[in-house]
Amino acid sequence: GAVVSQHPSWVICKSGTSVKIECRSLDFQATTMFWYRQFPKQSLMLMATSNEGSKATYEQGVEKDKFLINHASLTLSTLTVTSAHPEDSSFYICSARRGEGRETQYFGPGTRLLVL
Amino acid sequence: GQNIDQPTEMTATEGAIVQINCTYQTSGFNGLFWYQQHAGEAPTFLSYNVLDGLEEKGRFSSFLSRSKGYSYLLLKELQMKDSASYLCAPMDSNYQLIWGAGTKLIIKP
Repeated sequence: GAVVSQHPSWVICKSGTSVKIECRSLDFQATTMFWYRQFPKQSLMLMATSNEGSKATYEQGVEKDKFLINHASLTLSTLTVTSAHPEDSSFYICSARRGEGRETQYFGPGTRLLVL
Repeated sequence: GQNIDQPTEMTATEGAIVQINCTYQTSGFNGLFWYQQHAGEAPTFLSYNVLDGLEEKGRFSSFLSRSKGYSYLLLKELQMKDSASYLCAPMDSNYQLIWGAGTKLIIKP
C-alpha cells in the first residue's frame, strides 16, 4: 500500500531554534499535502494545506511566518517551525492526498517535537 | 457550519461485533474516511466511501448514506489490538478532512 514517511520522528531542541520536518509520499505523487498538529488527548488540528508549486493555505490562527511550509515537489513537503518555543511542543503529522481516481489520504507516522 | 458527531467512548467484548456511528455536516462532500488511531501514533487509513452503500474489507466494513449525512464503521471478531480511537472524517469541497474527537473503543476480554 501507499506509504508516507516523516523525518525526523523525534526532535528535542532548545527554545529559539528552528526545526525542519520532512514529509514524503514514497510510492505516489501527492498533489496536496496537509500538516496537522495534535496535543495529547485532543483532536487533530489542521494547520495548513500545501499544494505543489504554490503557497500553502494556512488555517485561521496559524502563523504562516512561524510555520513555514514548502512543497517543492509532488513527493516532498517540509514544515519548518521557526524560533520554536515550549508551547510549540506537540505531535506534528502530515498527510498526503492521493487523487486521480484512487482518492485517499495517508498519514505519515508523525514527528514529536519537544522544545525545552 | 461543519460538524461531526460520534460517540465519545464505546466498550465491547473480544470476539464480538461493534458498530460505530457517525453523523456529519460539511460544506460540500467528496467522500468520507475512517481512520484508526492508537494512543501516541498517527492515524491509519481504514476505509473511504464516496458512494452510498456498504464497503467490506476483511473484519472492517464501512457504510455511507449521503442523503442522511450518516456513516458507520462495523468491526467484527474484535481483537484486543482493536482498542483504539476511530475517527470519522468527511472530506469537504476543498478536499480537506473534517475531524471530530473520534470514538475511543475499549475491548475487554
